Amino acid sequence: DQQVKQNSPSLSVQEGRISILNCDYTNSMFDYFLWYKKYPAEGPTFLISISSIKDKNEDGRFTVFLNKSAKHLSLHIVPSQPGDSAVYFCAASGGGADGLTFGKGTHLIIQP
Amino acid sequence: DTGVSQDPRHKITKRGQNVTFRCDPISEHNRLYWYRQTLGQGPEFLTYFQNEAQLEKSRLLSDRFSAERPKGSFSTLEIQRTEQGDSAMYLCASSPRTSGYNEQFFGPGTRLTVL
Repeated sequence: DQQVKQNSPSLSVQEGRISILNCDYTNSMFDYFLWYKKYPAEGPTFLISISSIKDKNEDGRFTVFLNKSAKHLSLHIVPSQPGDSAVYFCAASGGGADGLTFGKGTHLIIQP
Repeated sequence: DTGVSQDPRHKITKRGQNVTFRCDPISEHNRLYWYRQTLGQGPEFLTYFQNEAQLEKSRLLSDRFSAERPKGSFSTLEIQRTEQGDSAMYLCASSPRTSGYNEQFFGPGTRLTVL
């Protein structure tokens, strides 16, 4: 039973355009959400996070949106750059567990 | 480099052998976590420590797995009698109290291959 779902295994976006990565969750007790970026043979790198009391958080080119009623969050990257090509993981915490629950990841490919 | 470090980065072992991994968290991070990641999946939580106390264990952590953080600094994860299904990337993360423990910072991982 997957509590955090990333339904797009891969996404291809042209350099300079907006990349939108989506994530859905089923556990309404989750109260904090995070996005991580992962290159091959490296550990996940923390990108941006959002608390369930907010609906938007912005950091430079990265913005995360949270829609609690739909149990959906998205990561926007504007403008997309070649170095953004990586696997992006959505993660959630809360609901009585201190470990993070991850989705399966979306492989973002930025085309020149 | 003041990030989370893990040793070794790669380990190849034969089925039935014991292996031990080490994690050094970011200095002053109270919490330390272990995760396992297999191909095509996201990291899966195994266990975590607050200082030297092990506070939570996942159902994934079978009896063959044991983790310690004896002095509240580095941690070790031991797998006894390894099986081929243990082949995975083992990730360590640490988290500071200042972020309410919400944000976890990961090390580069130890890739285990069981032959």
